[in-house]
Amino acid sequence: NAGVTQTPKFQVLKTGQSMTLQCAQDMNHNSMYWYRQDPGMGLRLIYYSASEGTTDKGEVPNGYNVSRLNKREFSLRLESAAPSQTSVYFCASSEQGSSTDTQYFGPGTRLTVL
Amino acid sequence: GDSVTQMEGPVTLSEEAFLTINCTYTATGYPSLFWYVQYPGEGLQLLLKATKADDKGSNKGFEATYRKETTSFHLEKGSVQVSDSAVYFCALSVKNNNDMRFGAGTRLTVKP
Repeated sequence: NAGVTQTPKFQVLKTGQSMTLQCAQDMNHNSMYWYRQDPGMGLRLIYYSASEGTTDKGEVPNGYNVSRLNKREFSLRLESAAPSQTSVYFCASSEQGSSTDTQYFGPGTRLTVL
Repeated sequence: GDSVTQMEGPVTLSEEAFLTINCTYTATGYPSLFWYVQYPGEGLQLLLKATKADDKGSNKGFEATYRKETTSFHLEKGSVQVSDSAVYFCALSVKNNNDMRFGAGTRLTVKP
């Protein structure tokens, strides 16, 4: 049982390049999330998907797009990377997305934009 | 808006010392409260949670009690170990998981 997996683990981009971060969960969860983690700021929600076929903006969506490919997979795309997007990105999932649910996190992707 | 404020770190303790990490919250509704832990190089994992006032969450020797009167959810452990060295995040969720708010994190280092 792998839980939440993310690829790649590390990535270095030049300003203006694009890339897609991949996330998959094998727990049959309905809700999935993308966060970024910056020093001293905790985690901030970028986008979420409450269920298959739906996506919505979180606190910091600018510069990102997402796709909920199926129930298992939720990808995050940077169309034109900027240095301000240097961060650690975490994908998470939860069973129903209710306020009492536990979120399960992947190991993260460390992204550097030069 | 809904938010969490937690004790700034870093915190350095000797093995077997008592640990308290303070967490207070502001919320318009009735939040669920969580402590997550992040070990080096890993994602966050749930340590414990409480979903209503006066509930006590506990796991691996850690405890936290949901105190509505003081809007607090302080994390405690009676005797820390080197393996407890990690970053600890307090979080709340009011309406649903889509609105989860995390504190800035507190880095704990336990020395032998």
